[in-house]
Amino acid sequence: NAGVTQTPKFQVLKTGQSMTLQCAQDMNHEYMSWYRQDPGMGLRLIHYSVGAGITDQGEVPNGYNVSRSTTEDFPLRLLSAAPSQTSVYFCASSARTGATGELFFGEGSRLTVL
Amino acid sequence: GENVEQHPSTLSVQEGDSAVIKCTYSDSASNYFPWYKQELGKRPQLIIDIRSNVGEKKDQRIAVTLNKTAKHFSLHITETQPEDSAVYFCAGSGNTGKLIFGQGTTLQVKP
Repeated sequence: NAGVTQTPKFQVLKTGQSMTLQCAQDMNHEYMSWYRQDPGMGLRLIHYSVGAGITDQGEVPNGYNVSRSTTEDFPLRLLSAAPSQTSVYFCASSARTGATGELFFGEGSRLTVL
Repeated sequence: GENVEQHPSTLSVQEGDSAVIKCTYSDSASNYFPWYKQELGKRPQLIIDIRSNVGEKKDQRIAVTLNKTAKHFSLHITETQPEDSAVYFCAGSGNTGKLIFGQGTTLQVKP
């Protein structure tokens, strides 16, 4: 099993550009989520999904969209990138819904917005 | 919604000493409290977790305690080793689907 796979690992964008961070898991997990990590602020939840066709907002959803058309994939879209979105992004999945089980994280995607 | 506060933000100990990291949470409905370790440049990984029907849980040199009345929980690492140096995150969740993390503690174990 590959676990949770994120692409790309690194990306540089200009302000106003859009892009999609890809996340795929091969563990048949129903629960998937996106976090951003900034120095001194821990991991902040952006969006999450408890199953295909279901998504919901986390702590910091503004400027991001998600969809969950399959169990395996959970892409994160930046609609119009801003310097404040410079961060490391982690996708994570869990076998338990309700975020009450171990989260398996991807390797992270480092995004810089100029 | 849930809010998790974590202290201290940095912690430096001598090898062999104990380390304690404390977290408080706001939502009394929260019932799951994991701890994650993140080594430099790596992804976070679960090291121990506790559910609200348990007051303490141990796994070798690591233990977690939970005080539901006071809404706080703590990570205890005994006999620290240099490889324990990392960033540690606490987190809390109820049944809302949201796992909320604390701000993180950078632990340095000096040989």
